[in-house]
Amino acid sequence: DAGVIQSPRHEVTEMGQEVTLRCKPISGHNSLFWYRQTMMRGLELLIYFNNNVPIDDSGMPEDRFSAKMPNASFSTLKIQPSEPRDSAVYFCASSLRGKAFFGQGTRLTVV
Amino acid sequence: AQSVTQPDIHITVSEGASLELRCNYSYGATPYLFWYVQSPGQGLQLLLKYFSGDTLVQGIKGFEAEFKRSQSSFNLRKPSVHWSDAAEYFCAVGANNYGQNFVFGPGTRLSVLP
Repeated sequence: DAGVIQSPRHEVTEMGQEVTLRCKPISGHNSLFWYRQTMMRGLELLIYFNNNVPIDDSGMPEDRFSAKMPNASFSTLKIQPSEPRDSAVYFCASSLRGKAFFGQGTRLTVV
Repeated sequence: AQSVTQPDIHITVSEGASLELRCNYSYGATPYLFWYVQSPGQGLQLLLKYFSGDTLVQGIKGFEAEFKRSQSSFNLRKPSVHWSDAAEYFCAVGANNYGQNFVFGPGTRLSVLP
């Protein structure tokens, strides 16, 4: 298995634009997590899914952020509209029976 | 490219015993080093981090870690384990504090016997 795959690796966008980050979890994993890492706040859990159902989205900063998991092999994190303070590295992780594996992250820069 | 290894996939200790989780890294410059814990059904929680200064770092929940540059290691320790410490522990390395070139280790699962 290729591991957790995130795309794109880098994204530069203008303020106000919609940004979609993608994650392909490891096949067979039943949980998926989205994290954000910033200098100010470190690593934050945004949302996690179990069996494609959002379980805890209390970490989603505001309504501009939304996440979906339409099937077991794909998830998206969307920011609309994006703002400069959204600039960060976004990590996706998937797990099975509590063992998590992380993607390489998407570095988002909003200018 | 940077990498992180955690040689122990699964460790079992008795409650009250001491604990050491190993972490080795490969990095071309002075790294930022982190230890995170993930309890079942929860996200990652930062235990401690090292950037510079004193190589023995104190964290939350009674954990500490020691940075040894000569061994490229950043092992996590706790003198007396509690049953609530059972979880998955991740070591991570990065270029800075905000995710650049951030790499997680594969994790070590800790089981605690009563």
